[in-house]
Amino acid sequence: DAGVIQSPRHEVTEMGQEVTLRCKPISGHDYLFWYRQTMMRGLELLIYFNNNVPIDDSGMPEDRFSAKMPNASFSTLKIQPSEPRDSAVYFCASSWTGESGYTFGSGTRLTVV
Amino acid sequence: QQPVQSPQAVILREGEDAVINCSSSKALYSVHWYRQKHGEAPVFLMILLKGGEQKGHEKISASFNEKKQQSSLYLTASQLSYSGTYFCGTSNLISSGSARQLTFGSGTQLTVLP
Repeated sequence: DAGVIQSPRHEVTEMGQEVTLRCKPISGHDYLFWYRQTMMRGLELLIYFNNNVPIDDSGMPEDRFSAKMPNASFSTLKIQPSEPRDSAVYFCASSWTGESGYTFGSGTRLTVV
Repeated sequence: QQPVQSPQAVILREGEDAVINCSSSKALYSVHWYRQKHGEAPVFLMILLKGGEQKGHEKISASFNEKKQQSSLYLTASQLSYSGTYFCGTSNLISSGSARQLTFGSGTQLTVLP
């Protein structure tokens, strides 16, 4: 398996633009998580899905953030409009049901200027 | 609520041992440990479930004290490859069953020198 695949690896955008981050989880994993990592706040959970259904989105900072999982093999995280304070590394991770570790993707480094 | 890790940073010589601690103010269901190298994604090391257990490999192991709501990661005879930031991630029991989402500590930066 190729692991969790995220795209793009790097994204530089101007304030006010729409940004879409993509994630392909490991086949067969039924949990998908979106985390954001910054020096100040560490690893923060934004939202997670179980069997494509959003379970907890309480970590999504504002209405500017939205996430979807239209099928078991694809998820997106969208920021519209983007702001400089959204600059961070965004990680997608997936795992099996039951007690198992997360497999993280390589992350998307987002810079909003 | 974010678990508290200590120490924040530690510097070792090759062959020395280290202990990293993780404590929570809430009752824990599971504790995960991850290592992240600079510019890379966190990598899963091990998971411990409530019930108080210790597990791991010969040189990297961990314990979970459910009563104290604490976990410790033990690195024995450290190698250069052990350098990185270590995170604990905790999950709590919720009324509907086991909670899947992890809350991560702020990390412990481990540097192993030759």
